[in-house]
Amino acid sequence: QVQLQESGPGLVKPSQTLSLTCTVSGGSISSGDYYWSWIRQPPGKGLEWIGYIYYSGSTYYNPSLKSRVTISVDTSKNQFSLKLSSVTAADTAVYYCARDGGDGYNDYFDYWGQGTLVTVSS
Amino acid sequence: VIWMTQSPSLLSASTGDRVTISCRMSQGISSYLAWYQQKPGKAPELLIYAASTLQNGVPSRFSGSGSGTDFTLTISCLQSEDFATYYCQQYYSFPLTFGGGTKVEIK
Repeated sequence: QVQLQESGPGLVKPSQTLSLTCTVSGGSISSGDYYWSWIRQPPGKGLEWIGYIYYSGSTYYNPSLKSRVTISVDTSKNQFSLKLSSVTAADTAVYYCARDGGDGYNDYFDYWGQGTLVTVSS
Repeated sequence: VIWMTQSPSLLSASTGDRVTISCRMSQGISSYLAWYQQKPGKAPELLIYAASTLQNGVPSRFSGSGSGTDFTLTISCLQSEDFATYYCQQYYSFPLTFGGGTKVEIK
């Protein structure tokens, strides 16, 4: 059974960089069978896809966030990470990592982490 | 960007009711649509993909239909555990986008 677990600071100051890591267990990122996504949800609001990464390091970012987002992968640790720079209060959200079927035909999310709330505040 | 309109945003229903949720696209997406259920404080769970294919383990009272621009999620006989918020998601083109959600509450 695949499991994903987000980790990282729950509080980030405005203008700083938000950093989160997702640890995958029960499956290998290096298998190349899936893509690995970040999705966020502001409190009481809907879902926004941030971007994804493949085990090779290739990425695709949501244009709405592209200038501030970096997603990276560490296959040796079976982890992938999110960095979001120059954060504001509008970036306060629950951040989820999720497994994405990928390949352009199956980009839906069948496994999710439980989510981690990141609050941007001084 | 493909915009998605879910309706209604709030649905009041009783256990045993048949409920339908609509998701309309700003352009055609063939059948590249998924549906998710989210309960308070929990991550979304995949219910349906490819517009009508039930994810493993999802009860058969859930069904999906549609193609092109108009899609529907139907719960044939609402159970207590089905009171939740439902989201559609298109994966026809990037960026991947979600509908605004439909909250199904107890009437």
